[in-house]
Amino acid sequence: DAGITQSPRHKVTETGTPVTLRCHQTENHRYMYWYRQDPGHGLRLIHYSYGVKDTDKGEVSDGYSVSRSKTEDFLLTLESATSSQTSVYFCAISETELAAYNEQFFGPGTRLTVL
Amino acid sequence: GQSLEQPSEVTAVEGAIVQINCTYQTSGFYGLSWYQQHDGGAPTFLSYNALDGLEETGRFSSFLSRSDSYGYLLLQELQMKDSASYFCAVRAPDTGRRALTFGSGTRLQVQP
Repeated sequence: DAGITQSPRHKVTETGTPVTLRCHQTENHRYMYWYRQDPGHGLRLIHYSYGVKDTDKGEVSDGYSVSRSKTEDFLLTLESATSSQTSVYFCAISETELAAYNEQFFGPGTRLTVL
Repeated sequence: GQSLEQPSEVTAVEGAIVQINCTYQTSGFYGLSWYQQHDGGAPTFLSYNALDGLEETGRFSSFLSRSDSYGYLLLQELQMKDSASYFCAVRAPDTGRRALTFGSGTRLQVQP
């Protein structure tokens, strides 16, 4: 299994508070991604990174920011959490932009509840 | 933009064969992938098709027709452990994003 961890695994917070989720990889993969998963919507891309300090927006980036200061860590921040951001968040990594089999490896997920 | 359509649910019995379809709309195309996700778990990669035809990996096969913008995942000799959600995904360059776009997923229930 690819070495990807996410922390925390579960979090309950209140509307308006800042929240940071961490993704850590030990595979030295260049590309890292944050997705959110909600019933009926599959996995939707929030932000991704194609190198240290290189990030770009996904389809649902409003209300989220990211940072990547080291190859192994990709942080997702909700500056002021809202109830609509209650979701399961998955981090993923891939070795190359067009990996041999288009394969991404996913972390275990973080279940975030915003009250 | 990109869009993918797949059935929301499929039910089949143990030992049977089931096909999960996926149609996509993209401008540009780099291939169709399939992922499996058990309840409470993370998605895991199953297969990838870049060219037309059938790719077989054990009990699972995946098919692609680029001219029809269509693919399917075929699961044979169904087992109870195959009960999961299955997602098709494309990596297409028109958005400029170097990432996958996923369908909404098909929940497969295997009954004894």
